[in-house]
Amino acid sequence: QVTLKESGPVLVKPTETLTLTCTVSGFSLSDAKMSVSWIRQPPGKALEWLAHIFSTDKKSYSTSLKSRLTISKDTSKSQVVLTMTNMDPVDTATYYCARIEGDMTTTFDYWGQGILVTVSS
Amino acid sequence: SSVVTQPPSVSVAPGQTASITCGGNNIERKSVHWYQQKAGQAPVVVIYNDNDRPSGIPERFSGSNSGNTATLTISRVEAGDEADYHCQVWNSSTDHYVFGPGTKVTVL
Repeated sequence: QVTLKESGPVLVKPTETLTLTCTVSGFSLSDAKMSVSWIRQPPGKALEWLAHIFSTDKKSYSTSLKSRLTISKDTSKSQVVLTMTNMDPVDTATYYCARIEGDMTTTFDYWGQGILVTVSS
Repeated sequence: SSVVTQPPSVSVAPGQTASITCGGNNIERKSVHWYQQKAGQAPVVVIYNDNDRPSGIPERFSGSNSGNTATLTISRVEAGDEADYHCQVWNSSTDHYVFGPGTKVTVL
């Protein structure tokens, strides 16, 4: 059974760095067919793709947020980590991790439940 | 960059057909995926690769993609279909994933 679960702080202060962890089960991050993205959704707004990491450790970032994002993985722990620096209230959103099996053109077939992160002093 | 558009909302009576569009330049050249997101829940894929349906998704959900428009069609709409629907593509030029702004489907 494939599952993804996001964890991390639910409240961060402006200018702080956010670190979120996606723990996966039911598949291996070292499997050549598997890769994981982080996607966020501000309350009442659209989904926004943030970053993606492949089994080869190749990474891709949203152009608008690239300077603030770092994605990494620990295959032995089955975890994908996203850090976002210099948090601002506009970064308040539900953050999801989602899996892709296959090439980049295919769909996000499994999603985590999401974690609502609020940025406030 | 690849930009896709969706109507903000679609209203449909129970038993009727809802059509949700996803517009983009030559979108027919891309694989389009559709996600259903009910209130307070994570998105779930209902159509992938333009017109494939995952196991467990009713046959009432179908997709097409031609020219500059991809379409998600929900036949015989039920109250339980009320949700936000998001289209998504991959931009090969930038290695970026792109989501549409979402369409809220209201069942009257």
